[in-house]
Amino acid sequence: DIQMTQSPSSVSASVGDRVTITCRASQAIATWLAWYQQKPGKAPKLLIFAASRLQSGVPSRFSGSGSGTTFTLTISSLQPDDFATYYCQQANNFPITFGQGTRLDMK
Amino acid sequence: QEQLQESGPGLVKPSETLSLTCTVSGASLGSYYWIWIRQFPGKGLEWIGHINYSGTTDYNPSLKTRVAISVDTSKNQIGLSLRSVTAADTAVYYCTREFGRGNWFDPWGQGTLVTVSS
Repeated sequence: DIQMTQSPSSVSASVGDRVTITCRASQAIATWLAWYQQKPGKAPKLLIFAASRLQSGVPSRFSGSGSGTTFTLTISSLQPDDFATYYCQQANNFPITFGQGTRLDMK
Repeated sequence: QEQLQESGPGLVKPSETLSLTCTVSGASLGSYYWIWIRQFPGKGLEWIGHINYSGTTDYNPSLKTRVAISVDTSKNQIGLSLRSVTAADTAVYYCTREFGRGNWFDPWGQGTLVTVSS
């Protein structure tokens, strides 16, 4: 199985901050990577797919980059609605696997 | 608007079979893969497996001997069966749909908590 490792595991930030989360795959996955946002009691929500493509309806302050084994999710200017947990997911091989999550909370 | 709704018992006894149904409204099962994913109390996410409208399946090898996913096109439903459950199978179970052709997942059902306990 491909192991997905996110860093940091948690981050505290303020509204307006720029936040970057990193996801590393245990083997190369080209751009077969997605990012999800999850709020308490809710299902994950697809934000970015194919490493850098923004899902319809997702604000442009979210962006993704990377290929191979290292990927980043960036929130350019944090908004109150963005405090949540973020997961990366590889779609290159079965079984599909997820990172352990990064909790983003308010400083 | 497409919606997915999971249903089934919230409590299952150890060694018994967990059975869940995902009812899809606002969309046909055709042309997509439909997926079951679970989230453990510690928040980790695990891909269980997927099925398409013709019944082609793939399963996570870690569950392959215990799991079966089914499709009922007449009812627009996806089923999940997990045999010989233990406390380690306690999780929120989600159904979701393949988005595009890349094994990304959108939309998702709201999830249903299944607790394995005697």
